[in-house]
Amino acid sequence: DAGITQSPRHKVTETGTPVTLRCHQTENHRYMYWYRQDPGHGLRLIHYSYGVKDTDKGEVSDGYSVSRSKTEDFLLTLESATSSQTSVYFCASCPGTRSSYNEQFFGPGTRLTVL
Amino acid sequence: AQSVAQPEDQVNVAEGNPLTVKCTYSVSGNPYLFWYVQYPNRGLQFLLKYITGDNLVKGSYGFEAEFNKSQTSFHLKKPSALVSDSALYFCAVRVVLTGGGNKLTFGTGTQLKVEL
Repeated sequence: DAGITQSPRHKVTETGTPVTLRCHQTENHRYMYWYRQDPGHGLRLIHYSYGVKDTDKGEVSDGYSVSRSKTEDFLLTLESATSSQTSVYFCASCPGTRSSYNEQFFGPGTRLTVL
Repeated sequence: AQSVAQPEDQVNVAEGNPLTVKCTYSVSGNPYLFWYVQYPNRGLQFLLKYITGDNLVKGSYGFEAEFNKSQTSFHLKKPSALVSDSALYFCAVRVVLTGGGNKLTFGTGTQLKVEL
């Protein structure tokens, strides 16, 4: 966890409000990821980035957008939060190339509650 | 589609006994498999990975995993469990993404409880 931080760690918001979660890594990793963790589903990929300004959708991307303007920062935005987006959100990063077998390193998570 | 399955939601074991957390995979081509552990209110920590080579992979905290191609399994093991091993364990498989890079597809997790 040492090289990846997430903010905020906890957030409670209301349905319909925008929310931005921030991930910051100091490892100069090329790849960054946003996952959500829900009981019975494990972790599911929301969006990922393979470089500055290069992002793509994961398997549960509806209702989410991302931006990466610097190598170290990866932002996840819920444009209009819904109760179904109540979850724990994890950021991860990974060095290397497209074909690398490097493990991913995870941040401590953000617990988001949408009322 | 590449996937992993963890058939047990929870595993209970007495301290000092050997433990096994099961994982099976379904992939096309060579599987690249990982185990992670999650302690309460923490992010996931990498334990070990199988890429190629020896079927027995050794990892952090005394854990090891056995890759079995014929049974499409990658079970996590430890010879002697500790109470401090109690945590949520995830198996994962690497998936190459068409847009570039790769992702991990996770199993649903197995809660390990080690009791005195």
